[in-house]
Amino acid sequence: EAGVVQSPRYKIIEKKQPVAFWCNPISGHNTLYWYRQNLGQGPELLIRYENEEAVDDSQLPKDRFSAERLKGVDSTLKIQPAELGDSAVYLCASSSSRDRGPNAQFFGPGTRLTVL
Amino acid sequence: DAKTTQPNSMESNEEEPVHLPCNHSTISGTDYIHWYRQLPSQGPEYVIHGLTSNVNNRMASLAIAEDRKSSTLILHRATLRDAAVYYCILRDVVYAGGTSYGKLTFGQGTILTVHP
Repeated sequence: EAGVVQSPRYKIIEKKQPVAFWCNPISGHNTLYWYRQNLGQGPELLIRYENEEAVDDSQLPKDRFSAERLKGVDSTLKIQPAELGDSAVYLCASSSSRDRGPNAQFFGPGTRLTVL
Repeated sequence: DAKTTQPNSMESNEEEPVHLPCNHSTISGTDYIHWYRQLPSQGPEYVIHGLTSNVNNRMASLAIAEDRKSSTLILHRATLRDAAVYYCILRDVVYAGGTSYGKLTFGQGTILTVHP
């Protein structure tokens, strides 16, 4: 079974430029998450989707960050314009909420963003 | 968000058991204890979870104190591939978007070094 796929793996941009990250979750997983991980820290949740609906975006800086999950499968996270402080690893994860248990999240390898 | 406390780092020798401690004195009755690990340049990986009873799987064992205020992840025979950051997480139930879900809030984790 293929895991969570993210692209690109690395991105270097200048500040004030836009950037987008793409995620393809595990087939059949209806829940998708975007996290940001700063150097030396654990991941922080940015947004959570149930199918195509964003059900928790309370931690997403909405002035410059946006996300979408059209058709409830792939997702894109965008930053416009990027700032120096946005340099981090952006992780996508997916899980299946169809069973009621405390289901595990499966993470992709992440996109390492460097803003110059 | 519920909090956990872990040592910043631990060291082990290859093929020896490793006991990774975690304190969670503010745990509530419905919080599940999750462990994830993150290998270098990869996204976090689910290891194990439990509620009250000790748990075993192919990767590790989870020992939970009777009062649930602490737990220990046990790697029975450490290998070089087990070198990673290990996160102990209390899975909170949060309410957002008219629904509830289990949220993982990562701390800084324990950096495990395994010596050959």
